[in-house]
Amino acid sequence: KAGVTQTPRYLIKTRGQQVTLSCSPISGHRSVSWYQQTPGQGLQFLFEYFSETQRNKGNFPGRFSGRQFSNSRSEMNVSTLELGDSALYLCASSLYPQRELHNEQFFGPGTRLTVL
Amino acid sequence: AQKITQTQPGMFVQEKEAVTLDCTYDTSDPSYGLFWYKQPSSGEMIFLIYQGSYDQQNATEGRYSLNFQKARKSANLVISASQLGDSAMYFCAMREARDDKIIFGKGTRLHILP
Repeated sequence: KAGVTQTPRYLIKTRGQQVTLSCSPISGHRSVSWYQQTPGQGLQFLFEYFSETQRNKGNFPGRFSGRQFSNSRSEMNVSTLELGDSALYLCASSLYPQRELHNEQFFGPGTRLTVL
Repeated sequence: AQKITQTQPGMFVQEKEAVTLDCTYDTSDPSYGLFWYKQPSSGEMIFLIYQGSYDQQNATEGRYSLNFQKARKSANLVISASQLGDSAMYFCAMREARDDKIIFGKGTRLHILP
C-alpha cells in the first residue's frame, strides 16, 4: 500500500507570492490533516479535512486555507507569503476523523517551503 | 501553558544501551490518548506507540515501551537496545477527547553513538 505522498518536496517562493501544496492520502483514508513545523514553534496543527469538509482549524491567519477533493486528496494554499511562513509542511492521513482518540495518523515526507 | 513538555532537547546514548525519553502532559480531561512519533532527518513522522488514559497496562511495541504514570502525568518512551537507526527527533503528543486536535511537544533529538 502506498504511503502518504506530498508534492512538491521543496519549494522556494518570494514574499507576497502564493503557494499550493498537495497531499495524497493512503488509499481508503478519508481524513487529511495539515501541520506546520518550524524550529521555533515546533509542530502546529493547521486544519483537518474529512470527507471534503473542514472539521477543525488551528490558530493560523486566513491566508492559510485548504480543501479536500472527492478522492480525499487535499491541497493547502498560502496566499501573500511572509518570511515567517518558511517551514516544513506535513500532511497526515487517517481512516477516522481526529476526534477518535486512538486514531493513528500516517505522515507524508513533507514539503519544505522557503520564502525569500 | 504547555500541554506537552519534553525537557530533554538532546540526548547522546551509546549503541545497545536502553534510553528513556521524558514526556509530561497537562490535561483536566479524564479521557485522552498519548502518542510517540519518530522523525528521522528525512522529515517523515513515524508513529511508534499509543497509550490510552484508561489503559491498565503500559503499551509496548517491539523495542518501544511507554512508562505511563497517570498520577504524575508522565508518559516516558523507553527504547531498549538502541540502534544507530534510532537517531532521530522524537515527539510526544496528546489528543484529548473533548478536543479534536493532537498537540505535539517540542521534541527530543536522540543521537546514538557507535
